[in-house]
Amino acid sequence: GQQLNQSPQSMFIQEGEDVSMNCTSSSIFNTWLWYKQDPGEGPVLLIALYKAGELTSNGRLTAQFGITRKDSFLNISASIPSDVGIYFCAGPVNSGGGADGLTFGKGTHLIIQP
Amino acid sequence: KAGVTQTPRYLIKTRGQQVTLSCSPISGHRSVSWYQQTPGQGLQFLFEYFSETQRNKGNFPGRFSGRQFSNSRSEMNVSTLELGDSALYLCASLAGTGNTEAFFGQGTRLTVV
Repeated sequence: GQQLNQSPQSMFIQEGEDVSMNCTSSSIFNTWLWYKQDPGEGPVLLIALYKAGELTSNGRLTAQFGITRKDSFLNISASIPSDVGIYFCAGPVNSGGGADGLTFGKGTHLIIQP
Repeated sequence: KAGVTQTPRYLIKTRGQQVTLSCSPISGHRSVSWYQQTPGQGLQFLFEYFSETQRNKGNFPGRFSGRQFSNSRSEMNVSTLELGDSALYLCASLAGTGNTEAFFGQGTRLTVV
């Protein structure tokens, strides 16, 4: 099945630094989704990307749909303590929509050092 | 607009028992999907319901089942619980282009002892 490879697995950064993480696949995706999960909570949708090459922002977050449709990137600018959490990339299992289920990456743990 | 509501938040069960988890999607959303999250396997798709019909199912044994009611509320059931069923069970309400955007509830933390 389709697998998403997320990197890095974890990041230790200083408050105020910019963060970059990415997600790659051997298969083409028609949609890329980025989620953030806090401990004990469900994932929260941050950004949805639907078109190759698309660049979308949500506040300090910016995500890009790779031109090959096999990768996506998430950047966080000027990190703050509440950015701590696990970030997941996800995409539909099949070329259909979410009804077929989403496949998720293993996540990037973001840790901010004071 | 209320989000996805899952009950209960926490549950402890004994091996061999069965459990039922409940999910109320976002008002107006008719599609609900369920996921299992474990440290080892991550987030895995269980099944999806639309208008009371299961449209898709992930690679899980038949002990995992679900249903959806006419008001779009959904339940999932796990019978003959095993220790490995301990996980965070997440329900998602689908929306967006192609119903691709999944909006998750807080989850039910199931511990099997």
